[in-house]
Amino acid sequence: QVQLQESGPGLVKPSETLSLTCTVSGYSINSGYYWIWVRQPPGKGLEYIGSMFYRGNTYYHPSLKSRVTMSRDTSKNQFFLTLRSVTAADTAVYFCARGEMTLPYYWGQGVLVTVSS
Amino acid sequence: QSVLIQPPSASGTPGQSVTISCSGSSSNIGNNFVYWYQQFPGAAPKLLIYRNNQRPSGVPDRFSGSKSGTSASLATSGLRSEDEADYYCATWDDSLSAPVFGGGTKLSVL
Repeated sequence: QVQLQESGPGLVKPSETLSLTCTVSGYSINSGYYWIWVRQPPGKGLEYIGSMFYRGNTYYHPSLKSRVTMSRDTSKNQFFLTLRSVTAADTAVYFCARGEMTLPYYWGQGVLVTVSS
Repeated sequence: QSVLIQPPSASGTPGQSVTISCSGSSSNIGNNFVYWYQQFPGAAPKLLIYRNNQRPSGVPDRFSGSKSGTSASLATSGLRSEDEADYYCATWDDSLSAPVFGGGTKLSVL
């Protein structure tokens, strides 16, 4: 059974860069599927950030495209999220997931990232 | 304002059947598969229904999904107290070229 675990700083200062890692076990990220980031602001709904196809192609939500980069390290079976120039509006629980057709199937437990000085 | 519209709340008593709706358009629900997620407070979402009406292994058959035109529904029969959670619909949006989620429905078991 595939398992995903997010990690990264819980606090980021405004205007700085948010960097998160998703460590995957039980399945190789370059074998198949989409590898996805979704976030959820406190008390609000789910928001798609972006996804990476197992071949390395990346797709980002249009509203975040100018600030987001997804990358991976297949030797460590990890994929990454970088979000630049963060503001308080980027405060959220960030989830990584594996999906088919870019919609999540298996989810990590999530990590809370707060943007504050 | 979410692209997919869900009622903010729904409720029922134990044993009842409850249906949660998800309204979209021809660029999303009308042309793509719908997914449903269940989320308990403080936890990650869990996939409940995929490809409109398919249940992942382990999901009780009390949960069922359907789609008609530009709307979809999640039905829960034999309501139990442990079904009290938030439920989200999701699908691909052809105009946005991205997945979209509904705003979520809080299901209460009275």
